Amino acid sequence: DQQVKQNSPSLSVQEGRISILNCDYTNSMFDYFLWYKKYPAEGPTFLISISSIKDKNEDGRFTVFLNKSAKHLSLHIVPSQPGDSAVYFCAHNSGNTPLVFGKGTRLSVIA
Amino acid sequence: ETGVTQTPRHLVMGMTNKKSLKCEQHLGHNAMYWYKQSAKKPLELMFVYSLEERVENNSVPSRFSPECPNSSHLFLHLHTLQPEDSALYLCASSQWDSKNYGYTFGSGTRLTVV
Repeated sequence: DQQVKQNSPSLSVQEGRISILNCDYTNSMFDYFLWYKKYPAEGPTFLISISSIKDKNEDGRFTVFLNKSAKHLSLHIVPSQPGDSAVYFCAHNSGNTPLVFGKGTRLSVIA
Repeated sequence: ETGVTQTPRHLVMGMTNKKSLKCEQHLGHNAMYWYKQSAKKPLELMFVYSLEERVENNSVPSRFSPECPNSSHLFLHLHTLQPEDSALYLCASSQWDSKNYGYTFGSGTRLTVV
């Protein structure tokens, strides 16, 4: 049973518009949720995180929203740029357990 | 050199071969990880080392054997692999008690078993 679910394998967005990437989770016991971005032939790189005690965290064009009652997490990218085209993974950790990742969503930003 | 470095970047091996993947981190982290990324699957945790001791082994077949000689180096020894073991193998490092920044990953080794 997947603890972290990214139900959309892919997403296409026009340049300049908003990209919304979604993640659902089952385990309510976590400390942080994290988003990673992965380009082809590279390892994932850390993008942004959110603590379990917050419902929003913003860093430039990237904002992560946490809805604990719905066990839902989303990453908003606005405005989207062609360089944002990548695979995005959500992950969470709890205590000293290793990160648990979703399957990823491939974002394509079309110029 | 900075970050997490993995070698080789690509590896093709036969089912009877023995090979090793290498990972090196220059970040002063005290935990290192092996993950496997197969197509259309989540990143799967294989092994975790904290302070050079293995703390987790996620039911990985014995044909995969990790080694962590010190906090900067991690190896994955491979022998008698199967074609379904073909995947991207990612190494990562972190500070064991740092939860909000996650891990730093290497670029991975693309393994093909023929």
